[in-house]
Amino acid sequence: DTAVSQTPKYLVTQMGNDKSIKCEQNLGHDTMYWYKQDSKKFLKIMFSYNNKELIINETVPNRFSPKSPDKAHLNLHINSLELGDSAVYFCASSLGLRDTQYFGPGTRLTVL
Amino acid sequence: AQTVTQSQPEMSVQEAETVTLSCTYDTSENNYYLFWYKQPPSRQMILVIRQEAYKQQNATENRFSVNFQKAAKSFSLKISDSQLGDTAMYFCAFTPPNYGGSQGNLIFGKGTKLSVKP
Repeated sequence: DTAVSQTPKYLVTQMGNDKSIKCEQNLGHDTMYWYKQDSKKFLKIMFSYNNKELIINETVPNRFSPKSPDKAHLNLHINSLELGDSAVYFCASSLGLRDTQYFGPGTRLTVL
Repeated sequence: AQTVTQSQPEMSVQEAETVTLSCTYDTSENNYYLFWYKQPPSRQMILVIRQEAYKQQNATENRFSVNFQKAAKSFSLKISDSQLGDTAMYFCAFTPPNYGGSQGNLIFGKGTKLSVKP
């Protein structure tokens, strides 16, 4: 069983569209995260949720919104997609804050 | 600002040999965690090793070990008996203390691309 899963793995869309990336973890963890990896492979935190509360919100555009229907899921919604949003997005989870984070397989988003 | 620096963008090593990847970080905090993650061409981020700053003993995981020098803020990764499957990007990462807006935030270096040659 995959510990942290993301769907879809690849997403190609047009500028201006709205899209969502889903993330699920079956590890029983309390904290989930979203990271963005740019074309130069640099990884940066976007959001994290601990017990369904947003506890980090780095300066990402408000077009990006995380939604957590329950502790096992943290979905990423992106409105009005722009060319610069093209990247690989990783979901991760950890037992608690500062515990080891386990990553999903990533979603490669391409905005045309 | 808290930063992580990996000064070697690319490295190569012969199969079965040993290689060391460098990492330095900048923080004024005393209690934090350090990690090495591996990202093979499959794109999956895989934890290699973890070190708690309050522990003086260097962490080891099979062929992977670290040299943690807290005063120098250095956290290098040594890979012994390199294997072809070790070919990957290696990221050093740091988690600051658990307060303010930084709870759980992994701060990554820019990565070192390691190629293991047969």
